[in-house]
Amino acid sequence: DTEVTQTPKHLVMGMTNKKSLKCEQHMGHRAMYWYKQKAKKPPELMFVYSYEKLSINESVPSRFSPECPNSSLLNLHLHALQPEDSALYLCASSGRGIGNTIYFGEGSWLTVV
Amino acid sequence: AQKVTQAQTEISVVEKEDVTLDCVYETRDTTYYLFWYKQPPSGELVFLIRRNSFDEQNEISGRYSWNFQKSTSSFNFTITASQVVDSAVYFCALTITGGGNKLTFGTGTQLKVEL
Repeated sequence: DTEVTQTPKHLVMGMTNKKSLKCEQHMGHRAMYWYKQKAKKPPELMFVYSYEKLSINESVPSRFSPECPNSSLLNLHLHALQPEDSALYLCASSGRGIGNTIYFGEGSWLTVV
Repeated sequence: AQKVTQAQTEISVVEKEDVTLDCVYETRDTTYYLFWYKQPPSGELVFLIRRNSFDEQNEISGRYSWNFQKSTSSFNFTITASQVVDSAVYFCALTITGGGNKLTFGTGTQLKVEL
């Protein structure tokens, strides 16, 4: 079983809604990630947190707002999304150094209607 | 810039056949790390193996084996005696020193194992 847990597993939201995706890891990792994956494509990095601070933002639109309340929690706040934002959102964690294995959660399937 | 190529988009085999998934990478860095992940239809990316650029030893784990050859910049993955449960998309990925622990993924290979 994965030690990175994500909720909800499925989410349907309207374009005017505000929702959040949640992620928790129990591996003592100090780096956490959000990836977005469209159908039949590889995952694309969105954000990286290192020691609870945002270290990488891959030019993600502001309608996606990440938050890292503590070293084991990561949220992704969603507001005014577009239908093209429908995708699988994957949370992940790793040790902080380069080359450390990144462990992924089961993902949250998001549909924007 | 880094690049990972998985030329096989989709492979279909019959159960118990052996199958090899190809991965070719490009990087100018001398220190880098290679990974394989499995993604079943449920969506989770399952880590399979990590290899650093200084360790060219091949590895076997049960029915899985990996062949790392720096001379051809390849890190191929073989499943022996494939099973239906092996059906998934398999991603090869690369990360380098510098620029954060960012994975460069290949486009993935869809493996279908049929009875």
